[in-house]
Amino acid sequence: AQKITQTQPGMFVQEKEAVTLDCTYDTSDPSYGLFWYKQPSSGEMIFLIYQGSYDQQNATEGRYSLNFQKARKSANLVISASQLGDSAMYFCAMRERRFAGGTSYGKLTFGQGTILTVHP
Amino acid sequence: DTEVTQTPKHLVMGMTNKKSLKCEQHMGHRAMYWYKQKAKKPPELMFVYSYEKLSINESVPSRFSPECPNSSLLNLHLHALQPEDSALYLCASSQEGTGAIYGYTFGSGTRLTVV
Repeated sequence: AQKITQTQPGMFVQEKEAVTLDCTYDTSDPSYGLFWYKQPSSGEMIFLIYQGSYDQQNATEGRYSLNFQKARKSANLVISASQLGDSAMYFCAMRERRFAGGTSYGKLTFGQGTILTVHP
Repeated sequence: DTEVTQTPKHLVMGMTNKKSLKCEQHMGHRAMYWYKQKAKKPPELMFVYSYEKLSINESVPSRFSPECPNSSLLNLHLHALQPEDSALYLCASSQEGTGAIYGYTFGSGTRLTVV
């Protein structure tokens, strides 16, 4: 079963407008983290914003905000005042803690991604 | 230093070659990861090292051989690759062991082409 779902393969937005990128997730762990990453054509995975499962308030980082609805298991990214440089692939990801060989690690699972294109 | 450095940035290799990808971080992170990413697809986890021990091998073919010589360095040795192994290889690291959920820091990747 897919754990992270991004239903928008592509999105278009006009420069200076706001855009929402959708993400739903599925987990039975009470403790998890949700992330959004931006990946331009250069390939670098750029961290944008983080929401912990126990966080009471929605995360914000500059023009990025995360609309966290825990009961609906959704973690949508809102980009305000879009810029041409925002054109990129955007991935939603969920991190669950796993244990193996006596140590812990974080298993990060990505959604399929949304390609955002900002028009002038 | 808050970076993960990957070298080389680009690599072209023949199917009979042996090459290595290198990943380095000096953030004191004790978990390091290799991901493989095909074009327009999400990254797929290959290996996880936790405290320099291989914790997870996600059923990766033996032509990929990871190595973690110390807590700052992670290598991926490549041998007898196939053209379908051409992809972007991403390294990441994370802080572990304190009970909290931490994020990953990714390197900029190595674009591998197998000819």
